[in-house]
Amino acid sequence: DVKVTQSSRYLVKRTGEKVFLECVQDMDHENMFWYRQDPGLGLRLIYFSYDVKMKEKGDIPEGYSVSREKKERFSLILESASTNQTSMYLCASSPDTLGGYTFGSGTRLTVV
Amino acid sequence: EDQVTQSPEALRLQEGESSSLNCSYTVSGLRGLFWYRQDPGKGPEFLFTLYSAGEEKEKERLKATLTKKESFLHITAPKPEDSATYLCAVQAVTSQGGSEKLVFGKGTKLTVNP
Repeated sequence: DVKVTQSSRYLVKRTGEKVFLECVQDMDHENMFWYRQDPGLGLRLIYFSYDVKMKEKGDIPEGYSVSREKKERFSLILESASTNQTSMYLCASSPDTLGGYTFGSGTRLTVV
Repeated sequence: EDQVTQSPEALRLQEGESSSLNCSYTVSGLRGLFWYRQDPGKGPEFLFTLYSAGEEKEKERLKATLTKKESFLHITAPKPEDSATYLCAVQAVTSQGGSEKLVFGKGTKLTVNP
């Protein structure tokens, strides 16, 4: 089975800190995605990548950046964490552009 | 703009009480409709893909159907372990024949009581 691993289940960071969320997939998938999920707002796409060193903005990229230096790894970076970035962050991957994504277990980030 | 609306927001069933969840969508050209299951504190788990009206997919007690405007997730004789949030998502075809990003609904939280 495809596995998408997010490095942390829970994180607590202070306002203004630079935060790195790591995601690794083990099935050689081309496409990787970062979402955040908030109550009442559902899943919102932050950034995605269709290939190594490629990235595209999703619906809510402000305050975030990403890095994909290797095919299996996709990192989400919060340049200066703010309290409104407190959320569940979900990474996903897929072998093609169809929507049957495999999601990781999520990182619940709290910014205080 | 592509939109997905799921109803009801929450549904409580007794064990064995069959029911259906609804996903209504508007999309310029449908590439696929996707159902996911999400347990508390975990990421969504992919269940089904439906591509065209009339298509049906089944997995254990779940059956997904698709029309031109909506999809239903039918749950037959549910068990407590079916309790989860069920998410629907649609994907449109781009003008170049590629795939747009997924648009998710907000989900239906299903609780099955023993």
